Amino acid sequence: GQNIDQPTEMTATEGAIVQINCTYQTSGFNGLFWYQQHAGEAPTFLSYNVLDGLEEKGRFSSFLSRSKGYSYLLLKELQMKDSASYLCAVRDHGWTGFQKLVFGTGTRLLVSP
Amino acid sequence: KAGVTQTPRYLIKTRGQQVTLSCSPISGHRSVSWYQQTPGQGLQFLFEYFSETQRNKGNFPGRFSGRQFSNSRSEMNVSTLELGDSALYLCASSSPGETNEKLFFGSGTQLSVL
Repeated sequence: GQNIDQPTEMTATEGAIVQINCTYQTSGFNGLFWYQQHAGEAPTFLSYNVLDGLEEKGRFSSFLSRSKGYSYLLLKELQMKDSASYLCAVRDHGWTGFQKLVFGTGTRLLVSP
Repeated sequence: KAGVTQTPRYLIKTRGQQVTLSCSPISGHRSVSWYQQTPGQGLQFLFEYFSETQRNKGNFPGRFSGRQFSNSRSEMNVSTLELGDSALYLCASSSPGETNEKLFFGSGTQLSVL
């Protein structure tokens, strides 16, 4: 089976840096994704890691360690609009051999002035 | 390019009824996945279709079913609705074979079962 853990809620201040952690256990790992979801809206793609290391994209960076089953999403220079839920998802080979995305429960980030 | 379109946006049903939700994927995307999202459970995988065939299925009862048409549009059906089926149902499309194949989500159908 699969198990993905991330904190339920985090708070941070505008302009600060926040790191959202995600740990996972899966039998057929084939990539890790981060999605952002604002309340009442669809999740939107942020980042993808399949090899160990850091992927940087503007104010957002994502890190992966496959041996530790660990990833984090780093958000710099926080803005009020970054208040949202951040979903960690692992691409896993299902029992059919075809891949599917398995999501964690999400981390709700609240950015205050 | 139009995004993933889900209809209807909101639905209110009563226990015991059935419901059909519709999803039109991004043009050219042949894979459609369905997820149920609730505050406590997050996104739970329902099933995935590719070229009209169900390739993957999550751990949901048989009351939840789906299908995909030749134009890649997909529908999911929930029969004998229960209160616990109240949730946001999200559809996502993708283009299998891409290196970082990612899901593009629709805005969802918010289902309330009374």
